Amino acid sequence: DVKVTQSSRYLVKRTGEKVFLECVQDMDHENMFWYRQDPGLGLRLIYFSYDVKMKEKGDIPEGYSVSREKKERFSLILESASTNQTSMYLCASSPHYLAGASKNIQYFGAGTRLSVL
Amino acid sequence: GNSVTQMEGPVTLSEEAFLTINCTYTATGYPSLFWYVQYPGEGLQLLLKATKADDKGSNKGFEATYRKETTSFHLEKGSVQVSDSAVYFCAPRDTGRRALTFGSGTRLQVQP
Repeated sequence: DVKVTQSSRYLVKRTGEKVFLECVQDMDHENMFWYRQDPGLGLRLIYFSYDVKMKEKGDIPEGYSVSREKKERFSLILESASTNQTSMYLCASSPHYLAGASKNIQYFGAGTRLSVL
Repeated sequence: GNSVTQMEGPVTLSEEAFLTINCTYTATGYPSLFWYVQYPGEGLQLLLKATKADDKGSNKGFEATYRKETTSFHLEKGSVQVSDSAVYFCAPRDTGRRALTFGSGTRLQVQP
């Protein structure tokens, strides 16, 4: 089974802190994603990465950065946390699109619920 | 870009009732279509998918048919169980795009 592991289920941070959310996948997937989930808004894409050291902005990148130094690990960084970044953060991974449409499925971690006080 | 419209919840049903959750989308290409489910306290997991017009995805008694002419992918189940209580997300992925576009989610509550 594919496993996507997020390092923390719950985090509480103070405004202005630098926050790291870590995600690891064990399926040698090329693509990795960070979403945030808010009530009534569904999931919104923050950033994604299609290879080591490669990244692209999603729909809501402001206030976030990412790092992918190894294929299996994708980190989301909040440079200076703010209260409006209190949310559920979900990491996902998927294989290269050349795997074919039927196999190009995103697998999700359990999520990190972040509270910024 | 893509957008997705899902029926608002919560949807509250009695056990063994028939379920429909509507989903319509806009896409610039010829998308693959997915339904994901999120059980309480968990991440999302794939429920079913369809990759071309008229395909029917099915899993765990749930079904959805890719309707290109109406750009819809409605989720149905003939007889829901309490264990189906969860949030359901419709998510198209446009051709050549790596990321999914998610609907706002529909919460289903099934009462015994």
